[in-house]
Amino acid sequence: GNSVTQMEGPVTLSEEAFLTINCTYTATGYPSLFWYVQYPGEGLQLLLKATKADDKGSNKGFETTYRKETTSFHLEKGSVQVSDSAVYFCALSDGTGRRALTFGSGTRLQVQP
Amino acid sequence: EAGVTQFPSHSVIEKGQTVTLRCDPISGHDNLYWYRRVMGKEIKFLLHFVKESKQDESGMPNNRFLAERTGGTYSTLKVQPAELEDSGVYFCASSQLTGFKNTEAFFGQGTRLTVV
Repeated sequence: GNSVTQMEGPVTLSEEAFLTINCTYTATGYPSLFWYVQYPGEGLQLLLKATKADDKGSNKGFETTYRKETTSFHLEKGSVQVSDSAVYFCALSDGTGRRALTFGSGTRLQVQP
Repeated sequence: EAGVTQFPSHSVIEKGQTVTLRCDPISGHDNLYWYRRVMGKEIKFLLHFVKESKQDESGMPNNRFLAERTGGTYSTLKVQPAELEDSGVYFCASSQLTGFKNTEAFFGQGTRLTVV
């Protein structure tokens, strides 16, 4: 079956530091990959998505690349802000997009001023 | 346009009691999903409605959980009787059903359930 493994948190960084949250996956076929973010007191929001190999996603300064050869989908940001403090979830859906998402365990990011 | 709404936001109940969670999806979204996150672990799929029909309920943990979607609009998830291990955050999501692929899923804020 499908599975997603992401690095455990919490991750604590100082403002303007570089962020990487690792995510690897196991799936049959050609899954679509996603990063969701949950800010304190809010629901899950879609941050980035990629639907095929070598796709790059970029949003709010965050970047990711769908790497099929290493089955990875790491999340990066060059300079984090206090407002980026949240829980980040990596997820995948099967190639048809007709089934539910498979999520990783989430990584809590705490950015200190 | 209103997003996915879940009620209540928090619920604390005693073991053996019954709790009903409600989800109002975005208007026009035929797909409705329930997920659960237990004790900081991964968010796990519970079930998927397409309109009023259960498309996939393979994630439902046991028969103490009952989900319904009346008229293909809002959905309820009832836990009866609740056990300690049912504690967690229950998320609802909805998406449109258009042709071959589903569109992006939008999530609610979640209901934090604590069973004591």
